[in-house]
Amino acid sequence: SQKIEQNSEALNIQEGKTATLTCNYTNYSPAYLQWYRQDPGRGPVFLLLIRENEKEKRKERLKVTFDTTLKQSLFHITASQPADSATYLCALLDNAGNMLTFGGGTRLMVKP
Amino acid sequence: GAGVSQSPRYKVAKRGQDVALRCDPISGHVSLFWYQQALGQGPEFLTYFQNEAQLDKSGLPSDRFFAERPEGSVSTLKIQRTQQEDSAVYLCASSAGFRNTIYFGEGSWLTVV
Repeated sequence: SQKIEQNSEALNIQEGKTATLTCNYTNYSPAYLQWYRQDPGRGPVFLLLIRENEKEKRKERLKVTFDTTLKQSLFHITASQPADSATYLCALLDNAGNMLTFGGGTRLMVKP
Repeated sequence: GAGVSQSPRYKVAKRGQDVALRCDPISGHVSLFWYQQALGQGPEFLTYFQNEAQLDKSGLPSDRFFAERPEGSVSTLKIQRTQQEDSAVYLCASSAGFRNTIYFGEGSWLTVV
């Protein structure tokens, strides 16, 4: 069956450290993968999109990697700040489909 | 508009009541999506429009759920005879076209009592 898995346990890190979040998928042929940030009571906010033929994307303190052999994307936040505390969602668009399918999200807590 | 706009932001409905949730996509966006998000979980796909055509409604949980986009812009998600299990956040999203970035609204929070 098709699955998109993110670590359901919260990730707690110290301010200034790099946060790394994982997204693994099974039985998809992805066209692209998107990462979103979601704060409590708010809708998902788009962060980065990485296509199947791209290995890495960067935007300011954010970096996303995409390994279609391992079927995994990693999302990194460098020099993390308490304001980065939120839930991060990965979402995948399958080549055979029209809509994004989401993982369950990982909650990140950055402590000062 | 600048972003995807949804209304109402919060709705409390009595069980059995009908509700209508509205979505204004980003201006010019041809693709529109509805998702349902339960507390602590990722959004789940409900339905997808390309302009006014509803191309995929495979995620609608029952025939009590109905969505329309008659003029290819604003969309309405209607839930008839609401049940407690319908309590969730209903998210609308839009994109400029096939395989473009998808942007979400703030959601409509539905509580059925």
